[in-house]
Amino acid sequence: AQSVTQPDIHITVSEGASLELRCNYSYGATPYLFWYVQSPGQGLQLLLKYFSGDTLVQGIKGFEAEFKRSQSSFNLRKPSVHWSDAAEYFCAVGAGAEEYGNKLVFGAGTILRVKS
Amino acid sequence: EAGVTQFPSHSVIEKGQTVTLRCDPISGHDNLYWYRRVMGKEIKFLLHFVKESKQDESGMPNNRFLAERTGGTYSTLKVQPAELEDSGVYFCASSQEAVWETQYFGPGTRLLVL
Repeated sequence: AQSVTQPDIHITVSEGASLELRCNYSYGATPYLFWYVQSPGQGLQLLLKYFSGDTLVQGIKGFEAEFKRSQSSFNLRKPSVHWSDAAEYFCAVGAGAEEYGNKLVFGAGTILRVKS
Repeated sequence: EAGVTQFPSHSVIEKGQTVTLRCDPISGHDNLYWYRRVMGKEIKFLLHFVKESKQDESGMPNNRFLAERTGGTYSTLKVQPAELEDSGVYFCASSQEAVWETQYFGPGTRLLVL
């Protein structure tokens, strides 16, 4: 079965500092990978997704993520964090419809705090 | 273009009562999903509609939960009778095509069962 691990429940970074949020997945074949963000009072917003091709994926709000098959990882990065990036971040994995349907399997989330 | 909307935003009910959550997907999206996040846990899949048909309901926890999607438009999720462990945030998402199109999420309904 698919599973997603986000080892960091909380992360605090200073404004302007770089950020890396970790995500590891468990799935036998090439997964479909996503990062979502939830700001307070908002729904989940897609930051970026990986289906195939270039393993470095660019997303919205200056985020990027790199798919590393050998490490089963899909870490999210941002070179310079802004106070508005404070939110909860979710990594998710999906599999082919013929096997698992179209459901997403989420990690537990990482809460990002930004200090000034 | 309006996003996915959910109603109510919050609901507080007593154990044993009934609650109905509503989701309006993005217009034209045939695929509608329900997910739930119980406090301190991961967001978990409940079920998937394609138009008015249930494509996958493998995540529904038990028969106290009933989901419908009348005419392939909006969807309701009824919990009857509600139990304490049903408390959490219920998310709805929709997508245009099924196979790994982006799922657009609503803001969620926060349900508290006392």
